[in-house]
Amino acid sequence: EAGVTQFPSHSVIEKGQTVTLRCDPISGHDNLYWYRRVMGKEIKFLLHFVKESKQDESGMPNNRFLAERTGGTYSTLKVQPAELEDSGVYFCASSQGTDGYTFGSGTRLTVV
Amino acid sequence: AQSVTQPDIHITVSEGASLELRCNYSYGATPYLFWYVQSPGQGLQLLLKYFSGDTLVQGIKGFEAEFKRSQSSFNLRKPSVHWSDAAEYFCAVGAFSWNTGGFKTIFGAGTRLFVKA
Repeated sequence: EAGVTQFPSHSVIEKGQTVTLRCDPISGHDNLYWYRRVMGKEIKFLLHFVKESKQDESGMPNNRFLAERTGGTYSTLKVQPAELEDSGVYFCASSQGTDGYTFGSGTRLTVV
Repeated sequence: AQSVTQPDIHITVSEGASLELRCNYSYGATPYLFWYVQSPGQGLQLLLKYFSGDTLVQGIKGFEAEFKRSQSSFNLRKPSVHWSDAAEYFCAVGAFSWNTGGFKTIFGAGTRLFVKA
């Protein structure tokens, strides 16, 4: 089966610009998660979708971040406007049942 | 508060030597425990998981981990390290929700493994 796909793999944008990250989960996985790792620190939870609904968005840092999952398939994470501290690696994962997460390769975002 | 501690930021071992990566957690209930590995340019890959039962779990690539409730630990081990094991390893603890069918998971900061010839 195809894994979790994220793109772009890298993005370099200027402060104040907008960036949209995309995640395609494993087909049939209702649960989709966004995580972020900043500067080699721990991987931090951003939010969790169950199908198209936001189950938990307690980790979203501020209102410059907007996540959507229209139709319960792929998800987008938009950062607008981007700030320097938003730089990091953004991971998407999906899960079904108790098998744990399947992660994508991540998007490395650099804000300059 | 729930937390995961990986006390070693990086570890260097010789190829063929044994490996143990430490993980301690703080969690209110019996957690689901995971180890993930991230190789350069790759996403995180699940090495093994523990939910219940035998406290010594076997994973992929010859790794195993032992759950010790009394020590709140879930250390990862491998008897003989290969150069291809050089990567970053993440311990994670989580709770599974039967309502949503999803996990709430906390990750440690990772341990980077270097393998020398």
